[in-house]
Amino acid sequence: DQQVKQNSPSLSVQEGRISILNCDYTNSMFDYFLWYKKYPAEGPTFLISISSIKDKNEDGRFTVFLNKSAKHLSLHIVPSQPGDSAVYFCAAGGNAGNMLTFGGGTRLMVKP
Amino acid sequence: SAVISQKPSRDICQRGTSLTIQCQVDSQVTMMFWYRQQPGQSLTLIATANQGSEATYESGFVIDKFPISRPNLTFSTLTVSNMSPEDSSIYLCSAGETGANGAFFGQGTRLTVV
Repeated sequence: DQQVKQNSPSLSVQEGRISILNCDYTNSMFDYFLWYKKYPAEGPTFLISISSIKDKNEDGRFTVFLNKSAKHLSLHIVPSQPGDSAVYFCAAGGNAGNMLTFGGGTRLMVKP
Repeated sequence: SAVISQKPSRDICQRGTSLTIQCQVDSQVTMMFWYRQQPGQSLTLIATANQGSEATYESGFVIDKFPISRPNLTFSTLTVSNMSPEDSSIYLCSAGETGANGAFFGQGTRLTVV
């Protein structure tokens, strides 16, 4: 039973345009959600998080939106840059200690 | 943020042998975790490494196969025992204080079992 799902395995975007990565979850007990970026041969790097009591959090080019009624969150990257090309994982936590439940990841490719 | 160092970064091992992966954090942390990322898959939590007590394992993972040590607040090891090719994965150490601030990850250990 996948509690966190990223239904798009890959996304291709032109440099300068907006990248939108989506994530759905099923467990309404999650307290917070996070996005990680992962380059090959490296560990995931924390990008941005959002508490379940908020609907938006912004940090520079990255904005995360949370729609609790739809159990859906998204990460917006504006403008997209070639260096953003990586695999992006959404994760959820707070229902059981500090462990995180990860989605399957979306590979983002930003073309120059 | 915490800096997490993992070693080895990669290894190729013979089936039936064991490999111990080390994880060092540059500051004391309450929570340390071990994850596995199988090829083409997401990250799956193996266990929570508890300081001073036995690790807490997730469903599908057992202590005999993945013994974990956590001797202090900055260090942990994960052993992959009696390896088979199915154990070929990236193993990741993670540490953090509170989840909402983002857990931090080591660079991972890429294990290939032949």
